[in-house]
Amino acid sequence: GAVVSQHPSRVICKSGTSVKIECRSLDFQATTMFWYRQFPKQSLMLMATSNEGSKATYEQGVEKDKFLINHASLTLSTLTVTSAHPEDSSFYICSARGGELSTDTQYFGPGTRLTVL
Amino acid sequence: SQKIEQNSEALNIQEGKTATLTCNYTNYSPAYLQWYRQDPGRGPVFLLLIRENEKEKRKERLKVTFDTTLKQSLFHITASQPADSATYLCAPRVGFKTIFGAGTRLFVKA
Repeated sequence: GAVVSQHPSRVICKSGTSVKIECRSLDFQATTMFWYRQFPKQSLMLMATSNEGSKATYEQGVEKDKFLINHASLTLSTLTVTSAHPEDSSFYICSARGGELSTDTQYFGPGTRLTVL
Repeated sequence: SQKIEQNSEALNIQEGKTATLTCNYTNYSPAYLQWYRQDPGRGPVFLLLIRENEKEKRKERLKVTFDTTLKQSLFHITASQPADSATYLCAPRVGFKTIFGAGTRLFVKA
């Protein structure tokens, strides 16, 4: 099946620093990647959608200058949380779709737990 | 506005019984609907996808139905096992987006 990896799985950082999270599709080419955040006991909230080689489309209320998304290749997307603050602490999950293995289905990474002190 | 409703209460069942989870949606017509399993602290794992022209889909002990008239999908786990305990997410595809329900927490007791 389709495998999506994320790195790191956990990160703790100081307030004001930037954190980069990587998302890779390991066995298929992801024409579209998605970034979600999830607070405890809540549903996944879509932050942005990115297609390879083009700018990400951000959901309403998500600051594009704070959450920088790059989808430079068909197997890699990165999310950079800039000048992180404690309220950015959350569970960030990427998913990928596209290619022969995943034309419609979104496959998810294992998630990254971000804690901002 | 577009809305997805899943059983908000946790579902507790005895091992060996069939678990049935409900997903209702309003104000849109999804081209297809996906079901995922999510364990605490982990990303969702894809289980099944059912399209609007399909009434039912099966995979091993799992069965999904899709009633576009009722705007409802039912997710069944037969012969449930304690290892099936998790949160199950309903995710209709609307346009270019997939919208996730809040999920139903399932507990299967041995």
